[in-house]
Amino acid sequence: QPVLTQSSSASASLGSSVKLTCTLSSGHNNYIIAWHQQQPGKAPRYLMKLEGSGSYNKGSGVPDRFSGSSSGADRYLSISNLQSEDESDYYCETWDSNTRGVFGGGTKLTVL
Amino acid sequence: EVQLVESGGGLVQPGGSLRLSCAASGFTFSSYEMNWVRQAPGKGLEWVSYISSTGSTIYYADSVKGRFTISRDNAKNSLYLQMNSLRAEDTAVYYCARCAYSYGHTDYWGQGTLVTVSS
Repeated sequence: QPVLTQSSSASASLGSSVKLTCTLSSGHNNYIIAWHQQQPGKAPRYLMKLEGSGSYNKGSGVPDRFSGSSSGADRYLSISNLQSEDESDYYCETWDSNTRGVFGGGTKLTVL
Repeated sequence: EVQLVESGGGLVQPGGSLRLSCAASGFTFSSYEMNWVRQAPGKGLEWVSYISSTGSTIYYADSVKGRFTISRDNAKNSLYLQMNSLRAEDTAVYYCARCAYSYGHTDYWGQGTLVTVSS
């Protein structure tokens, strides 16, 4: 079963850019993941699907400021021109045909 | 517009039971696989259970296996989670989540329903 590892926290200044990382466990480098955003007190929101090739497909209404990329076992979520509303928890998700859903521990992003 | 609306949460004593429901609209429910995902207070997301579009394939997290039962009624566009033998550690917001077509990840979330297990 794949395991997803995320840093517990990150911070960046208003108007700057940030890159969050989700790392797949050994042997699962080719897995597709999804990124989700959870603003304080709200339900999660789907941001995008991200493949090992770096190709990504965003959900409906997700701003252009959000993009994805990949390198080996690492999957990245990049946010440019940070806004105050981007201060959220960000989770990566993958799945396995045998055991289904797996979530990373989440990264709490603080916008300074 | 895709909508997932959960109901059925509440306060229940340890050892008790609850049945959660999720009403789906805005898409062809019978064509999509579905999940239940939970989030304990102050914690991250935890996948709970999966059901295929026809209901023929079901999976559970080890933490709920043998106690929870997922089901669906495609005629009523509804997803269910029967929770028995509830424990304090089952206290969480429970989300109904749609799996992306032909993929396993979540592409839509409900607003969640809170389950509190306490005496």
